[in-house]
Amino acid sequence: QKEVEQDPGPLSVPEGAIVSLNCTYSNSAFQYFMWYRQYSRKGPELLMYTYSSGNKEDGRFTAQVDKSSKYISLFIRDSQPSDSATYLCAMSAWSGGSNYKLTFGKGTLLTVNP
Amino acid sequence: EPEVTQTPSHQVTQMGQEVILRCVPISNHLYFYWYRQILGQKVEFLVSFYNNEISEKSEIFDDQFSVERPDGSNFTLKIRSTKLEDSAMYFCASSNGVFNQPQHFGDGTRLSIL
Repeated sequence: QKEVEQDPGPLSVPEGAIVSLNCTYSNSAFQYFMWYRQYSRKGPELLMYTYSSGNKEDGRFTAQVDKSSKYISLFIRDSQPSDSATYLCAMSAWSGGSNYKLTFGKGTLLTVNP
Repeated sequence: EPEVTQTPSHQVTQMGQEVILRCVPISNHLYFYWYRQILGQKVEFLVSFYNNEISEKSEIFDDQFSVERPDGSNFTLKIRSTKLEDSAMYFCASSNGVFNQPQHFGDGTRLSIL
């Protein structure tokens, strides 16, 4: 079983739709969960960062973590064409020392159509 | 907003040659990382660096690779004797702490080995 699984899509929605993006993971040691947005030929841009189970909201974005099910989600409300990008989930476990490497999902390609 | 900058944006090199990829992390950050993304695959962790030494490295990061912080602002990845399979996007990231401090990424260097 892969450590982090993410449906690569592609996902195509009309403008204004609610988008749901999801990742599952197998490593119960993961404690920190992130969502990054990646536009074509650009680096990952941090969108959301959560530590605990539950919901975290920032504007049109809501990140949800369910550690018991090893499942995280990102919801985008009122989606805009500018939201068209690849969305990457990433997570990490505290392994001691002075680092925490990120383990990424493969990314979901989202297109929001005007 | 402070950002991680990487140069060059694209590097083309003959197989067997050495390349140095350069990164300027965000100025008050202390933790530095290199990741790579082979076309169509996940972003993969290569190495983390703190206090002028490697904190952790992946299986990918063998003797062919080395990292250095030659001065107070730059962070470099050297790849010796490049191989065709080294062709990928290489991303630098930095953070200003470990707990509750997410990593911020540069836009990457696209390395093409001929």
